[in-house]
Amino acid sequence: GESVGLHLPTLSVQEGDNSIINCAYSNSASDYFIWYKQESGKGPQFIIDIRSNMDKRQGQRVTVLLNKTVKHLSLQIAATQPGDSAVYFCAENGYNFNKFYFGSGTKLNVKP
Amino acid sequence: DTAVSQTPKYLVTQMGNDKSIKCEQNLGHDTMYWYKQDSKKFLKIMFSYNNKELIINETVPNRFSPKSPDKAHLNLHINSLELGDSAVYFCASSHNRDGQPQHFGDGTRLSIL
Repeated sequence: GESVGLHLPTLSVQEGDNSIINCAYSNSASDYFIWYKQESGKGPQFIIDIRSNMDKRQGQRVTVLLNKTVKHLSLQIAATQPGDSAVYFCAENGYNFNKFYFGSGTKLNVKP
Repeated sequence: DTAVSQTPKYLVTQMGNDKSIKCEQNLGHDTMYWYKQDSKKFLKIMFSYNNKELIINETVPNRFSPKSPDKAHLNLHINSLELGDSAVYFCASSHNRDGQPQHFGDGTRLSIL
């Protein structure tokens, strides 16, 4: 079946440090992955996505790495800021292009 | 200029009641969704509509009935509410059904007394 999991439920980092949030998925048919950020009282907000024909994609201060061999996805946030404090979810689309399976989330705490 | 808006933001009601949550998107997207987020923050898809046609219907009790009057609206009606229905319900939309990022509303927190 499809499942997405996160290695660390809570991650605390110092402001200015880099953060790495990891995600494992089990469905080798998944070909599209998304990272979302959810702040308290808000809905998930799109951060960055990657398709299975790539292994790295960069955005503004964020990088997503995809390792299809071990079915692993990571989100790197450079120079973490207090505003980055939130819960981060990875999502994969499994067999269905339109049906996303979400991981259980990692809470990122940024200490000033 | 809210992209995906859902109402109400909070809904507190008694067990056994019937309630509706409304969702509207002004992004011109073809596909809309309903998700349920439980107390452990786990997000699970419930339904998806593409151009008013139901395309995803997870194993959701038939007390839950989505209605899409047009592609900009997807409402969720819940009959005979139960304690286990307490959760945050999120509406989302995407450009089309083919693997696109989803834009979420800010959620409706449903509390059953």
